[in-house]
Amino acid sequence: GAGVSQSPSNKVTEKGKDVELRCDPISGHTALYWYRQSLGQGLEFLIYFQGNSAPDKSGLPSDRFSAERTGGSVSTLTIQRTQQEDSAVYLCASSLGSSGHFTGELFFGEGSRLTVL
Amino acid sequence: AQKVTQAQTEISVVEKEDVTLDCVYETRDTTYYLFWYKQPPSGELVFLIRRNSFDEQNEISGRYSWNFQKSTSSFNFTITASQVVDSAVYFCALSAASTGTASKLTFGTGTRLQVTL
Repeated sequence: GAGVSQSPSNKVTEKGKDVELRCDPISGHTALYWYRQSLGQGLEFLIYFQGNSAPDKSGLPSDRFSAERTGGSVSTLTIQRTQQEDSAVYLCASSLGSSGHFTGELFFGEGSRLTVL
Repeated sequence: AQKVTQAQTEISVVEKEDVTLDCVYETRDTTYYLFWYKQPPSGELVFLIRRNSFDEQNEISGRYSWNFQKSTSSFNFTITASQVVDSAVYFCALSAASTGTASKLTFGTGTRLQVTL
């Protein structure tokens, strides 16, 4: 597609269940990011993939959170044993990326709204 | 550590009024980038502008203008003759090489702008 595609757009789950959120970046973009937006909060960085390099996982809030990117394209963010505080909008973004200075911009998807009951 | 402060949580103006959104940043890096993103009700963040730390020239794009002042660590955004379509949440963001990757943005908490008729 022309933009960053995320699915599902909405997910309601029960506490303790695992969830998977998917991101399909813009074709040709080597960099992919996951951010979390909680009510009344800014965007919180979670994880960053750049090409074949090891991902920057410094923003993952706990070991219940993990992400992978297969074939340098689609990414899946997995939250295990969900908690109510995990309720948020999870935003994916992609960019052309660079090995040096960042000169590009991030293209965001519309997000996946997660509600943990 | 990087930090972006948007002290204005919500602003409400009447159409055709001018409005300025404030952004104050903190970084120890000498090379960094500043951004503004717009998040309309659809949820998808839209890139508005990028400015690098070596370019303090103010920029104007139609009804939008940006005032970058390193002396006060501010990067304010002004909308002239606001319109209802400007209603959105606006995020200021910062990226710097010391974050581990210059591509990782630190976002402020956003300012919700409501423009009414």
